[in-house]
Formats: sequence, structure tokens, C-alpha cells
Amino acid sequence: DGGITQSPKYLFRKEGQNVTLSCEQNLNHDAMYWYRQDPGQGLRLIYYSQIVNDFQKGDIAEGYSVSREKKESFPLTVTSAQKNPTAFYLCASSNRGRPQHFGDGTRLSIL
Amino acid sequence: AQSVTQLDSQVPVFEEAPVELRCNYSSSVSVYLFWYVQYPNQGLQLLLKYLSGSTLVKGINGFEAEFNKSQTSFHLRKPSVHISDTAEYFCAVSERIDNQGGKLIFGQGTELSVKP
Repeated sequence: DGGITQSPKYLFRKEGQNVTLSCEQNLNHDAMYWYRQDPGQGLRLIYYSQIVNDFQKGDIAEGYSVSREKKESFPLTVTSAQKNPTAFYLCASSNRGRPQHFGDGTRLSIL
Repeated sequence: AQSVTQLDSQVPVFEEAPVELRCNYSSSVSVYLFWYVQYPNQGLQLLLKYLSGSTLVKGINGFEAEFNKSQTSFHLRKPSVHISDTAEYFCAVSERIDNQGGKLIFGQGTELSVKP
């Protein structure tokens, strides 16, 4: 079955630590996206990538970094510069003109 | 810039009653429109989409939505809800650029709570 796999499901970060969230898709989609979800605020776009080796900042990119070395993979690093990282993080993928498909998310908390 | 407003943050309804979840959008260009559903601690699942053609769109689980260009609305409806419809629902838009969609802009979400 094709789909998007996010790991881990739960992640804890210590103060001053960088953590990386994994997102892998086997849908052969060109575009991939990272969203942050906070209660009552919907989803906000962090970064997106429309082709390999290229990505753009979304609305709330500060304190985050990404890479897109392979079509299937789009990892998100939450750096120590992100002062309020506690949230539910969702990865999505799509082809142009088609709806986005979502993974099951990673819940990040601060220790 | 685009924006999406979901007019109700919470909608309580009794089982087998009809429901309407309201969504208005703002955009200076043509758009694609979507409704997604999210069950607790899960990702988003596409309910239905409007890309072009008929303004009444039917989706999964008995939901439908109507695109109203003059009122810039895309309200979601179901004639009879089930307990299993309890979830959060998100309206989203993307710009129609050269007939290809791009980034999604989401509304704040509507929590639908179906009571027995």
C-alpha cells in the first residue's frame, strides 16, 4: 500500500537540543510539505519542496530546517532556536494539481 | 493573499440530525477547495474536493459541499450524522496557477461532536 510514513509517533526534546522528524512517501509524489498544528489554529505551513534538492520557506519557518536529497524523503529538524516546539507535526505530499495526502503525524513535547 | 475562515469552532449535534459546517475564503485568484477530516491523533483524510465543473461536490462518508463563487463559500453538509462522524473538519484552499494547485491554506478547524 502506498502512503506516507512519519516517525516517531511521539518525540521528546530537551532544552537546547535539535531533533529530527522523519517523513517518507512511496506515492511517487513530486511535492512534499511540513505543517505544524496547534489547538484552535489549524495547520500552518513550515516548509515545502516541489522537487528534489529544492525547498521553500512557508509561513512559520523560523527555528526549523529541512532537506530534500531524495524524492521519497523530506526530514524536518526542529532546532534549539524554535522556542515553542510543542505541537503536532504533519507531513504531506502531492503531485501538482492533485490533493495532498497526509501522514499520521508526530507529536513533539518538551522535557 | 488567501485566507480561510471556518465560522464555527465547535458544532454539537444529535445523531441522525443534519449538519452544516461553514467555510468562507478570500482570494484574488481562482482557487481549488478542499475539506479534510481529522480523527484524534491522526493525520488528515480528504473528504472531498472542488477543482472545476459542477459546484455540488460529493465526497466520502455521505458528505457533500457546494461551491458558491459569488459568496466565496464552500459549506460542508451531511443530511444525517453518525456518532462516528465525531472529528475535526478542516476547510482548505489552494491557488489555481496554470491549472495546477500549490500550497494549501487551512481554516482553523471545526470540531463536530455527535451525541446519541
